[in-house]
Amino acid sequence: NAGVMQNPRHLVRRRGQEARLRCSPMKGHSHVYWYRQLPEEGLKFMVYLQKENIIDESGMPKERFSAEFPKEGPSILRIQQVVRGDSAAYFCASYRARETEAFFGQGTRLTVV
Amino acid sequence: TQLLEQSPQFLSIQEGENLTVYCNSSSVFSSLQWYRQEPGEGPVLLVTVVTGGEVKKLKRLTFQFGDARKDSSLHITAAQPGDTGLYLCAGAWPGGFKTIFGAGTRLFVKA
Repeated sequence: NAGVMQNPRHLVRRRGQEARLRCSPMKGHSHVYWYRQLPEEGLKFMVYLQKENIIDESGMPKERFSAEFPKEGPSILRIQQVVRGDSAAYFCASYRARETEAFFGQGTRLTVV
Repeated sequence: TQLLEQSPQFLSIQEGENLTVYCNSSSVFSSLQWYRQEPGEGPVLLVTVVTGGEVKKLKRLTFQFGDARKDSSLHITAAQPGDTGLYLCAGAWPGGFKTIFGAGTRLFVKA
């Protein structure tokens, strides 16, 4: 699924730093989901965004985590003051409006040291 | 709460064997997708099933959606090492766009 671009692929942060994860959806897709995946586990829903709107953030921790999908530019998942427990693979999926098939990026692997 | 239960969680078989993995829920979904994820990569869509009782085939893979649209199965015939990966099912809520994923079945096919 080269159409959904995530960067960086790998990110190393020290405890207390900020992590910014970017996701450019496929052309024509206006819906973006962010998921978190721990090793040997499935995908855990974090947040669902449409352009300039957060639709559902029920899966995202209330503190330190935020997400946006501006009118122009990629969707950003921001983690402030990272802790070791934030280490995981973060996947972005984009959807076309009114469709349910997700196209995933290759993920960003965050390591907090 | 895991609303989509996948079983088994892990499956290790020999090349050439057949297998079935399951995706079950107490909820009704408007559609259900199956994805395969290889290590270090994002999930890749295999199929979408929409109609209750629907059966779709993709080469050696057969997907079935339950009559009540609450469950699904994936059957692989004559498994090959290239089938190794994490198989995820995902359900879309009726009338909405939220999709939830099961925890996945990790398949390992030995040569």
